[in-house]
Amino acid sequence: DTEVTQTPKHLVMGMTNKKSLKCEQHMGHRAMYWYKQKAKKPPELMFVYSYEKLSINESVPSRFSPECPNSSLLNLHLHALQPEDSALYLCASSLGGAGEAFFGQGTRLTVV
Amino acid sequence: GENVEQHPSTLSVQEGDSAVIKCTYSDSASNYFPWYKQELGKRPQLIIDIRSNVGEKKDQRIAVTLNKTAKHFSLHITETQPEDSAVYFCAANTGGFKTIFGAGTRLFVKA
Repeated sequence: DTEVTQTPKHLVMGMTNKKSLKCEQHMGHRAMYWYKQKAKKPPELMFVYSYEKLSINESVPSRFSPECPNSSLLNLHLHALQPEDSALYLCASSLGGAGEAFFGQGTRLTVV
Repeated sequence: GENVEQHPSTLSVQEGDSAVIKCTYSDSASNYFPWYKQELGKRPQLIIDIRSNVGEKKDQRIAVTLNKTAKHFSLHITETQPEDSAVYFCAANTGGFKTIFGAGTRLFVKA
């Protein structure tokens, strides 16, 4: 299984809502990532978990809260988002640091 | 921190022609350089990568070259096909978990 699975594929939420994005991989990868991608832009790193511990937080606003319940799962909890947070949120995993990252198909988030 | 510049932003070629995309990086500690292809509405997927101990790597119609002295690396696609149309991202990594992406090149292959 070389897939990273993300749910949901699409999400529309109001600025007062709380929602969560989910990501799952069963490749035994120890690093998992959240990226944000705006239209016609490259993926922008948000968070990295290594061995289930938060390794990198790229100064992401606290309205985004990551969680890694176990080595296969990664969540991104969303609360009080702004319309400018609308984007494609990509999860990825890799065996280690400098190696191929496998991306999920993304969650297209719209904040209204 | 690392900065990756990518050119051109858009590239249009005739089917069968070659396409070249160029990137430069700023951090001499970078030692891993992946290239990702992202088709419209799809996830980025690795197409080729190169490490700093190698100057060139080839996989069928795709090749990547690396000049560590000049901090340049390039993607070469030969005999382009319409299905090569996509956005291509170069990236650089210093060995940790942080991969910095270039701005992307939108490649159009005209049939």
